[in-house]
Amino acid sequence: EVQLVETGGGLIQPGGSLRLSCAASGFTVSSNYMSWVRQAPGKGLEWVSVIYSGGSTYYADSVKGRFTISRDNSKNTLYLQMNSLRAEDTAVYYCARARSPANWRYMDVWGKGTTVTVSS
Amino acid sequence: EIVLTQSPATLSLSPGERATLSCRASQSVSSYLAWYQQKPGQAPRLLIYDASNRATGIPARFSGSGSGTDFTLTISSLEPEDFAVYYCQQRSNWPGTFGQGTRLEIK
Repeated sequence: EVQLVETGGGLIQPGGSLRLSCAASGFTVSSNYMSWVRQAPGKGLEWVSVIYSGGSTYYADSVKGRFTISRDNSKNTLYLQMNSLRAEDTAVYYCARARSPANWRYMDVWGKGTTVTVSS
Repeated sequence: EIVLTQSPATLSLSPGERATLSCRASQSVSSYLAWYQQKPGQAPRLLIYDASNRATGIPARFSGSGSGTDFTLTISSLEPEDFAVYYCQQRSNWPGTFGQGTRLEIK
């Protein structure tokens, strides 16, 4: 079964760091374009970051320079390292698989999400 | 950045009725638009991509149409499990944006 499971969320103070993990099963992370998408409480969806199968990475302007997407091929796991966290980063973070490289913004497999709360 | 505006914000209908949801882009996105369904406490689910193509496993009662700046998601006959929030998303322009959502609720 194709599945994504996110972990690593929690309560963190402003300025702190957190690393999210997304374990995949049923497919190979490194062969796919993988994204992180977040949803602030009661709000809509916001794309955060993508890693291409070739390893290129891209970020939304709101997180550029603070967040880093990566993967561990041996563990078939995607990561999001979040530094210098702000209150506005509070959200449920989803990892998601692109439907295809040609239209990677369309995501057809999603995890259940992990909640990040940035508050003092 | 392209802004997607969805209307109405909330749509109240009964099972068996036809639902029509709208998504308007601030500039042309060609046919590069998708629709997602999200139920409370769940992740989004891809329904339609490139305006009119149903994703794998999506029932035929869901259909998408439109191009340029005006798009429509139609649910031909509502089932109880269709009541959810629906988002449109464009991939025409970086970084790709989502609409604010339409809540489809039971009347």
